[in-house]
Amino acid sequence: DAKTTQPNSMESNEEEPVHLPCNHSTISGTDYIHWYRQLPSQGPEYVIHGLTSNVNNRMASLAIAEDRKSSTLILHRATLRDAAVYYCILGGFFGNEKLTFGTGTRLTIIP
Amino acid sequence: DAGVIQSPRHEVTEMGQEVTLRCKPISGHDYLFWYRQTMMRGLELLIYFNNNVPIDDSGMPEDRFSAKMPNASFSTLKIQPSEPRDSAVYFCASSQGGGDAEQFFGPGTRLTVL
Repeated sequence: DAKTTQPNSMESNEEEPVHLPCNHSTISGTDYIHWYRQLPSQGPEYVIHGLTSNVNNRMASLAIAEDRKSSTLILHRATLRDAAVYYCILGGFFGNEKLTFGTGTRLTIIP
Repeated sequence: DAGVIQSPRHEVTEMGQEVTLRCKPISGHDYLFWYRQTMMRGLELLIYFNNNVPIDDSGMPEDRFSAKMPNASFSTLKIQPSEPRDSAVYFCASSQGGGDAEQFFGPGTRLTVL
């Protein structure tokens, strides 16, 4: 399985944008880039995913480098409820639905 | 929809006992996943099913673990006999269509084996 590298932790001020980086230099052509987050004492929840183009949804934006070796999850205006562990995951394509979670980035929001 | 339902939410048992964890996926979803989360190993996939058929069980730690999906609305993960190192939070997730489809996770079952 292709691996991802994320910072162990990050801090951000409330109501400021947050940029969470992820490096995945060994990504294969069929790998999607998925982001999930896990709030304290809850199961993971989907945030966003993409293949090659940048993606936007109501929760966040995903910026994917042109060579696909890195990506950035963007939370446009962080709130206290966004404090969680954010996981960048490769894979999840037809025939291989397996998601391999790494250690993720623990995001702390400062009021 | 109520989301993915797991039971029990907490289970405390003694070493050597049989443990059965249960999962009801979201109606209409055709993929079901079982994950385990520990401080040491993080979140790891144990097994997943498509249309009630196991597709990848390479994450099942050993023969003490077994999973079944007798129908589209129910799955079990059984540990027999249980050991203290099985203590973890077990999550069930489901998705519709597989591939890059969003996986919806349940609240988890916290298992403690004494």
